[in-house]
Amino acid sequence: NAGVTQTPKFQVLKTGQSMTLQCAQDMNHEYMSWYRQDPGMGLRLIHYSVGAGITDQGEVPNGYNVSRSTTEDFPLRLLSAAPSQTSVYFCASRPHGTNTEAFFGQGTRLTVV
Amino acid sequence: RKEVEQDPGPFNVPEGATVAFNCTYSNSASQSFFWYRQDCRKEPKLLMSVYSSGNEDGRFTAQLNRASQYISLLIRDSKLSDSATYLCVVNIGPGGYNKLIFGAGTRLAVHP
Repeated sequence: NAGVTQTPKFQVLKTGQSMTLQCAQDMNHEYMSWYRQDPGMGLRLIHYSVGAGITDQGEVPNGYNVSRSTTEDFPLRLLSAAPSQTSVYFCASRPHGTNTEAFFGQGTRLTVV
Repeated sequence: RKEVEQDPGPFNVPEGATVAFNCTYSNSASQSFFWYRQDCRKEPKLLMSVYSSGNEDGRFTAQLNRASQYISLLIRDSKLSDSATYLCVVNIGPGGYNKLIFGAGTRLAVHP
């Protein structure tokens, strides 16, 4: 079972470059989210989606865009990378419901130089 | 103030010890609660949900106090394999969408 697949696993960008982090899930989950994790900060919500065509901002959305054209895919775009965006990024999906389990991808380690 | 606060630790305990982690949350509209476990450089995984009546899963016991907005996790008979970071997670949101907010985590190190 693939679950949640994130690509790439590692990436180095130069300041000002743009890129897209890919996230795909094969569990037909309605909800998908992007988090970033920095030392001592825990996971912070960047953007989330409750279904295809619907997205909303989380706690730290600045500098990131998302779209959800299909149930399966939820890419995260960095428009103009900054060193402050150096982090580990996790994509998660979960089915509808208040007490359902979130499944995470393996993470993308991004360094912006 | 952070929405979900945890003692970062680390908690260094010997095998066989009992250890307890606490977590407080600020949003009284929070609907559901979880503990996730994260191993070093890995993705978080669900350890257990936390129910109002308290719940137990083997050596792990979770408690919720809605009045005090407080969640706890008790680990009995600690194993080396319990060494990890434990994330307190709160589900915030009306009705449908469940916005999961994570605490910064409490690190546990179990030694022989």
